[in-house]
Amino acid sequence: AQSVSQHNHHVILSEAASLELGCNYSYGGTVNLFWYVQYPGQHLQLLLKYFSGDPLVKGIKGFEAEFIKSKFSFNLRKPSVQWSDTAEYFCAVNAHGWGKLQFGAGTQVVVTP
Amino acid sequence: NAGVTQTPKFRILKIGQSMTLQCAQDMNHNYMYWYRQDPGMGLKLIYYSVGAGITDKGEVPNGYNVSRSTTEDFPLRLELAAPSQTSVYFCASSYSGDTEAFFGQGTRLTVV
Repeated sequence: AQSVSQHNHHVILSEAASLELGCNYSYGGTVNLFWYVQYPGQHLQLLLKYFSGDPLVKGIKGFEAEFIKSKFSFNLRKPSVQWSDTAEYFCAVNAHGWGKLQFGAGTQVVVTP
Repeated sequence: NAGVTQTPKFRILKIGQSMTLQCAQDMNHNYMYWYRQDPGMGLKLIYYSVGAGITDKGEVPNGYNVSRSTTEDFPLRLELAAPSQTSVYFCASSYSGDTEAFFGQGTRLTVV
């Protein structure tokens, strides 16, 4: 069965620090990859997505992610976080024929002033 | 810009009661989904639909039922509420099975 693993469940960092969240998936075929963000009390919103092409994708709010096919990874990065980046971040994967998104368990990120 | 609309936003149910969570989308998406979100567990797929009249089970379908009579609506039915169904429920839709999903605001359900 396909699975999505997020390495950290909780991350605490200070403003201006750099952020990297790991995501690995288990599926040998062609995948589409997503990062969603959920701010406190809100619904999930799409941060960025990768379907094909340049493996380094840029999303909203200064986030980017790199797809490394050989490592089955899609790590999320932000060079300098802000307090407003406090949220839960979810990696998600789907593929042709799946009909649905498979989510990781999420990473709670807390940015302290 | 309605997108995906869920009602109600909050609900408290007693054990054994039933209720329907409503979900509607105005983006003419073929695919619709119901997820539940529990702390530290991510999102688990309950049911999904690839079009009107077609539904299929996800990872955690027990205790739930769905129907899809129109493209726009995808209600989720709880027949005999149990404490284990206390969760936040999200409805989502997508154009196809391998494009991004758009989420509703969620329904926080407590079963006591």
